[in-house]
Parts: sequence; structure tokens; C-alpha cells
Amino acid sequence: AQRVTQPEKLLSVFKGAPVELKCNYSYSGSPELFWYVQYSRQRLQLLLRHISRESIKGFTADLNKGETSFHLKKPFAQEEDSAMYYCALIRRGSQGNLIFGKGTKLSVKP
Amino acid sequence: GAGVSQSPSNKVTEKGKDVELRCDPISGHTALYWYRQSLGQGLEFLIYFQGNSAPDKSGLPSDRFSAERTGGSVSTLTIQRTQQEDSAVYLCASSRPGGEQFFGPGTRLTVL
Repeated sequence: AQRVTQPEKLLSVFKGAPVELKCNYSYSGSPELFWYVQYSRQRLQLLLRHISRESIKGFTADLNKGETSFHLKKPFAQEEDSAMYYCALIRRGSQGNLIFGKGTKLSVKP
Repeated sequence: GAGVSQSPSNKVTEKGKDVELRCDPISGHTALYWYRQSLGQGLEFLIYFQGNSAPDKSGLPSDRFSAERTGGSVSTLTIQRTQQEDSAVYLCASSRPGGEQFFGPGTRLTVL
């Protein structure tokens, strides 16, 4: 089965602290993985994708096939990072249909 | 240019009524997706359109749900005989083939 698991519903950190949002997946083969973010009262938007291997807003995510994980990390959290974060993968055999995790709400406190 | 737009932004209806939700994709985007965001289930894929190809309806939860896309642009998601469990935010996204999906603001559906 193809599945994305985000074990934490809520993650609360203080400003300046490191943050790691966990994502594990179930997929046979090479998945195409993404992190999406939804800020308060804004649209869901793409944060980063693993094939780009880029850093966006200080966030990075590395695909670990051995652990089937794609954790999102930032060394120093900012208050404006507070949002809902969703990990997703493209369903095999589809043309881009995304399977989402249930999301993690990140709260960065001053 | 303008992003994906959806209407209405909010819809309250009575159980058993039919509703239509509209999505206007970004101009030039041939791929269009509908997702549902609910408290219990998170974000779920519903249906996908790509150009003139037959839609991928594999995510529709029941035969009460249907969608069409006219002229390769605007899409309408129809829910017949609404039930309380249909209450959710319905999201539309569009993309170029294989490209980033851009999401609309969603329609919040409440079934009383």
C-alpha cells in the first residue's frame, strides 16, 4: 500500500530552536516526495520536493530510502514558520495524484 | 496572473440537497485535480482531469460524487443527496503536465 505517515499532529518549539517534522512513507520503488505548507488563512502551497534537493525558507528534506523517511528540517525556527505542514507523494501509476499525510501543525513560540 | 479560483468560498446546505462546487484553473494548465480536506481523513484525492483524456475518478468516495470539466478549463464537482459526512473543505488544484500543483482557496461545505 502507498501511504504517508506524519506521526506528530502538533509540534511546538521556541524561536531559534531546531525543528524536525517527521514523515515516513510506504511505497515500492522510488517515490516522488513533497512537503506542502498551509499558513493561516492561506492556500496550500508547495514548499519543496525531494528531486530538487533545494532549501526553501531555510527548510531542507532528505530522502532516506533505508528508513523510508523524508523528514523536514530547519536549524533555527522562526515565528513565521508556524503553519500546517503536509508530506505527500505521487501515487504510483497516476498522473500526479498526491497522497498526503495527515499533517503536522508547527507552532513556533517567541 | 490569477491563481486557481473556487466558488463559492462557503456553502451551507441541508442533508439530502445537491451542491455544485466550481473551480477555475490557471490559464494554460491542462491538469486539474480535486481533493477533499476533512478533520478525520486529512487531504484525500478525489478526481483528476488531463486534457481530453478520460478522467481518473478513482478517489471519488461514492456514486453521489461526480465532476466534469468543460472545454478543458472550468470544472464543476457535484455532490448529490449530500450527507453530513460530506462536510469538508474541497480543494481544487491545477498544473502543467507533471508540474507543480497550484491550489485554490477551497470551498468549505457544511451539511446540516
